[in-house]
Amino acid sequence: GAGVSQSPSNKVTEKGKDVELRCDPISGHTALYWYRQSLGQGLEFLIYFQGNSAPDKSGLPSDRFSAERTGGSVSTLTIQRTQQEDSAVYLCASSLGEVSVGETQYFGPGTRLLVL
Amino acid sequence: GEDVEQSLFLSVREGDSSVINCTYTDSSSTYLYWYKQEPGAGLQLLTYIFSNMDMKQDQRLTVLLNKKDKHLSLRIADTQTGDSAIYFCAEWNQAGTALIFGKGTTLSVSS
Repeated sequence: GAGVSQSPSNKVTEKGKDVELRCDPISGHTALYWYRQSLGQGLEFLIYFQGNSAPDKSGLPSDRFSAERTGGSVSTLTIQRTQQEDSAVYLCASSLGEVSVGETQYFGPGTRLLVL
Repeated sequence: GEDVEQSLFLSVREGDSSVINCTYTDSSSTYLYWYKQEPGAGLQLLTYIFSNMDMKQDQRLTVLLNKKDKHLSLRIADTQTGDSAIYFCAEWNQAGTALIFGKGTTLSVSS
């Protein structure tokens, strides 16, 4: 079956512009996660969704970052007024969501964001 | 807080065994994972181990877990050039809402 898909695969934007990144999880997966992978920082957790609600937003680095999930499926990560330090690969993952710990997370290919 | 540490680089010759090491901090971790990332690609789950196990073998991969020392290792037997990638060790955070990853070990395999 289809895996996690993300779009766009690459995004170049100018500093100060807003961007939207999309994640389409595996069908039937209720849990969805966003991570950011930056050079020198490794993989950082951003936000976790269970269904449409986000019980853990603790990883969002600033109020310029927000995410939503509608219909328990597709999620959008929005970065407002982008800064150069936002340049990174944004990875989305999903899991079945029946229990959190111990479930396997399946990752999408990521969106490479470059802020000029 | 939770933390996962890995060495950053490993270089081996084709046919040799590779051993990638990881230490973690949360002694309550129930599952520990190894992910592989090839250049320009997303993360691929390689294998995982449950905390009540000492060892798990899956074809060329062997995972060893030392709970007392909070040490996890991944051994790749007969390493091939196609194994060249970044390998990430991961554990769940205490809230059970996200994986915490090490910074990744870049494995370089020369022929």
